[in-house]
Amino acid sequence: TAGITQAPTSQILAAGRSMTLRCTQDMRHNAMYWYRQDLGLGLRLIHYSNTAGTTGKGEVPDGYSVSRANTDDFPLTLASAVPSQTSVYFCASSDKGGANEKLFFGSGTQLSVL
Amino acid sequence: GQNIDQPTEMTATEGAIVQINCTYQTSGFNGLFWYQQHAGEAPTFLSYNVLDGLEEKGRFSSFLSRSKGYSYLLLKELQMKDSASYLCAVRDGNYQLIWGAGTKLIIKP
Repeated sequence: TAGITQAPTSQILAAGRSMTLRCTQDMRHNAMYWYRQDLGLGLRLIHYSNTAGTTGKGEVPDGYSVSRANTDDFPLTLASAVPSQTSVYFCASSDKGGANEKLFFGSGTQLSVL
Repeated sequence: GQNIDQPTEMTATEGAIVQINCTYQTSGFNGLFWYQQHAGEAPTFLSYNVLDGLEEKGRFSSFLSRSKGYSYLLLKELQMKDSASYLCAVRDGNYQLIWGAGTKLIIKP
């Protein structure tokens, strides 16, 4: 089983450009999440989706948007990138309502905004 | 505010035992998680505690005291592959996950 697949693995982006980070899971999990991870800080939630067709804002949603058209896909879009969005981005999923609801993470996208 | 505290870095010797502590202050509590993250990789689930006491899983054990807002992860018979960051996360009263910054564990031969 592939689990969660993220693309691209890494990207260098010019400030002001837009970009979509892709995330696909094959575990049929109902909940999906986007986190960013910065040195010295804990994982911070950007957006989440508890089920297909619904999304919610996390701790640091500004400058990002998401959609959840189906169970498997949860893309994250940066409409106009800024250098402070340089980070490692992790997509995750969980079986909400299942035992402990542990998270399964994708391998991450290293994004540099210059 | 809500807060998770864990040491930034720890060093231990191969074959030894190490204890990584995590203290938390959150609005409500609905479980505590430990994840392992090797450098350049994704976090992977290690353990979950929702009741007080010790949960043992092979070489790894996790302890929780809800009254003290305290948990620890105990790693026995350390191996070089245990060199990684260990992330503590608490699910608060609103079922939101609050993450610590992680403890980088360095294992020396």
